[in-house]
Amino acid sequence: AQKITQTQPGMFVQEKEAVTLDCTYDTSDPSYGLFWYKQPSSGEMIFLIYQGSYDQQNATEGRYSLNFQKARKSANLVISASQLGDSAMYFCAMSLFYNQGGKLIFGQGTELSVKP
Amino acid sequence: DTEVTQTPKHLVMGMTNKKSLKCEQHMGHRAMYWYKQKAKKPPELMFVYSYEKLSINESVPSRFSPECPNSSLLNLHLHALQPEDSALYLCASSQVTGGSGSYNEQFFGPGTRLTVL
Repeated sequence: AQKITQTQPGMFVQEKEAVTLDCTYDTSDPSYGLFWYKQPSSGEMIFLIYQGSYDQQNATEGRYSLNFQKARKSANLVISASQLGDSAMYFCAMSLFYNQGGKLIFGQGTELSVKP
Repeated sequence: DTEVTQTPKHLVMGMTNKKSLKCEQHMGHRAMYWYKQKAKKPPELMFVYSYEKLSINESVPSRFSPECPNSSLLNLHLHALQPEDSALYLCASSQVTGGSGSYNEQFFGPGTRLTVL
């Protein structure tokens, strides 16, 4: 069975510092995608970054980077230079590419609070 | 246009009411999704439409009835809901690529906050 685990229910970080949000996954399927979403208190789920299982390099999108360690089955999100607007819930998710209808499997989320 | 829109933003309904949630995207995506989300919890998948056909129903009670009139629109018809159905309802869409149906990242709408009295 596929599973995503986020072990940090809540985290605090000082403004302008970097922070790492942990995510481990479990699947025996060789073809999958890993996603990070941000959900502010307004409710909208904002897509941040994607890593495919066959991608050789770690994904980066602006201040977001994904530390993909396939052997350890981890896909940690690194946010550099935290901003107050980064305070939100962050979800790690996995999608099996084939025969799953695009179903996303979500972790329980990490609530990040950025302190001024 | 990379936006998924949802209406209404807020909805309060009684247990005997009939209402509908609407979702629209103009990104040419051929997969559309309904999720239910309780506070501080991850979204729970309800339905998936692929090429306007219902492809996944996650054992959702029949008081929720999805409809996909065309490739851009997705509705969720609500009837005889219970107070425990109060939640944020999120719509999402994604591309479907590749011969075997590879599903790409999902883009979400802002959600409808539903309260059932």
